[in-house]
Parts: sequence; C-alpha cells; structure tokens
Amino acid sequence: QQPVQSPQAVILREGEDAVINCSSSKALYSVHWYRQKHGEAPVFLMILLKGGEQKGHDKISASFNEKKQQSSLYLTASQLSYSGTYFCGTDSGAGSYQLTFGKGTKLSVIP
Amino acid sequence: KAGVTQTPRYLIKTRGQQVTLSCSPISGHRSVSWYQQTPGQGLQFLFEYFSETQRNKGNFPGRFSGRQFSNSRSEMNVSTLELGDSALYLCASSLDRSVAFFGQGTRLTVV
Repeated sequence: QQPVQSPQAVILREGEDAVINCSSSKALYSVHWYRQKHGEAPVFLMILLKGGEQKGHDKISASFNEKKQQSSLYLTASQLSYSGTYFCGTDSGAGSYQLTFGKGTKLSVIP
Repeated sequence: KAGVTQTPRYLIKTRGQQVTLSCSPISGHRSVSWYQQTPGQGLQFLFEYFSETQRNKGNFPGRFSGRQFSNSRSEMNVSTLELGDSALYLCASSLDRSVAFFGQGTRLTVV
C-alpha cells in the first residue's frame, strides 16, 4: 500500500526550515528518500533502516519511527537548490524487494 | 563509476505498436527495477529482476513485460500500446535490498 506524504506542497523562503512526513500502514524495513527536479531522474538522498536511527548530511536529515511506521525529512536553512519534489519510498522487508513510493511533496524555495 | 543508463531517452509511438526500452545498471548491481511515472499516479512499480529472474511484479497488465540478461542489463517491453501508456519509464539498479539509483528515464509518448 502506498505511503502517505504530507504536506503535498510547501513554499519556503531561503533560509527557512521544512519537514516532510511519510506514513505507512504497513510494518517497514526501510525508508528511502529521493528528490526529483523537473525533467530529471530522482536522486537518492538517504536510506533509513529499522532501528529509528536519524541520518543526515549537510542540512538535510531524516528520522524513522519504527513503532509508528513514520519517517520525517528535515530540511534546515533551505537553499534555492532544494526546490523539487521529494518522494519517500518504503520497503516492507517481506517477500521480494519492492519500493513503494508516496505521491511526493513539491517543495519550492523562493529568494 | 558510471551511473544507470537508459535508452532511448525519448520515444514517440502510435497506438497499437510495441516498444522496447533498455536499462544498463551500475556495474556490480544485480537488481534492476522498473517504474512508471505519470503526473496523476506518481511512481508506480512495474517489476524487479535479480540475476535474470523476475522476483516481483506490480499491478500492470500482461502487455508490460521485461527480462534481464546475464550481464544484468534489462529490457522492458510494452505491446499493443495505449494512449494511457504515455509516461516516464524509470529504471533503478541496486545491489539488493538497498539503495536504488535511478537512470534518467525514457519518455514515451503514445499518439
């Protein structure tokens, strides 16, 4: 079943922070975050595995709440280059490998 | 290290025709997944191949098929094209249940 992302869209001014949420009704093994710019391929940001470990690099980090089957992506001090659509992809860990993606969150950063 | 390569980048086909898309994964990656991306449905899983075996298939009609060769390169085929098949088709490669790296995609337009 497709994970639910929120918000669907958000507009930020440069320097502002944002949180994007991803929620699943199924038990998860991993959550993958991607950013896609218009006309380009999705670019991998980070993967979170069972265990709730928070990961991050530069000003982008993420957490995974295993009990709630929720993940959040944190964008700090946003830059114009952060604009794009963010997708979470989930893997239940059961059966064969398959990433199921949310519908995406469109992030626009304006000067 | 070369990324995931998809060919062709753009295709225009007529209803009723068939089409074959190609994907060359990152060297050493044995898992190749295919996704269809449309504005309305987002990223939808088509199928996943690992070591020449289809391990998983999404909810698409039998007109959509694929295969993987011994060098891990993969092809997907769509027969009897319909207007609704117009989409961006993305291929992703990974070692196995891990980070999936996407190619640039093939933009298919059915007229």
